[in-house]
Amino acid sequence: DIVLTQSPATLSLSPGERATLSCRASQSVTSYLAWYQQKPGQAPRLLIYDASNRATGIPARFSGSGSGTDFTLTISSLEPEDFAVYYCQHRGNWPPYTFGQGTKLEIK
Amino acid sequence: EVQLVESGGGLIQPGGSLRLSCVASGFTVSSNNMNWVRQAPGKGLEWVSVIYRRGSTDYADSVKGRFIISRDTSKNTMYLQMKSLRAEDTAVYYCARDSEFGCFDPWGQGTLVTVSS
Repeated sequence: DIVLTQSPATLSLSPGERATLSCRASQSVTSYLAWYQQKPGQAPRLLIYDASNRATGIPARFSGSGSGTDFTLTISSLEPEDFAVYYCQHRGNWPPYTFGQGTKLEIK
Repeated sequence: EVQLVESGGGLIQPGGSLRLSCVASGFTVSSNNMNWVRQAPGKGLEWVSVIYRRGSTDYADSVKGRFIISRDTSKNTMYLQMKSLRAEDTAVYYCARDSEFGCFDPWGQGTLVTVSS
């Protein structure tokens, strides 16, 4: 099974700063990687699919990059509503459909 | 509007059974792969089960043999029948659709299952 490792576990930044979140796969997932945002008490929301494509309605300050085993989610300038937990996911051709353990983005 | 709404969660004793429902609107359940994902309190996301368009199913090892995923096309609803429940099954259970892009979108709001005596 593919294992996704996210880093850091917690990222403390201030509004207006740039956030860089990492997701590393235990083997190549080509570009089949998605990113989700989850706020307290809410369901996850799709942000990025196929490593670099923004989902409908997602602001341009969110961007994804990477391929193979190393992926990055970047938030160019943090807004107050961006402080949340972020998960990466590989939905391969067969289960289990793996999630990373999450990165908590908190206000510094 | 494409939407998923879960129900059926609650407090159940260890060893008990519970059935969760996920009602879809804005699309047809049987034309999509549909998933259950759970999140234990304060923990991350764990994929639980999938029912494919063709009707076949798959499960995480942690629930295999205890949970059954199914759907009712006349009600446009997916189900998760859970039996032999354990304390470690305590979680918010979300249903989610496989999108055309190989990810989960949308998600329901979740339903809480608490397994405790």
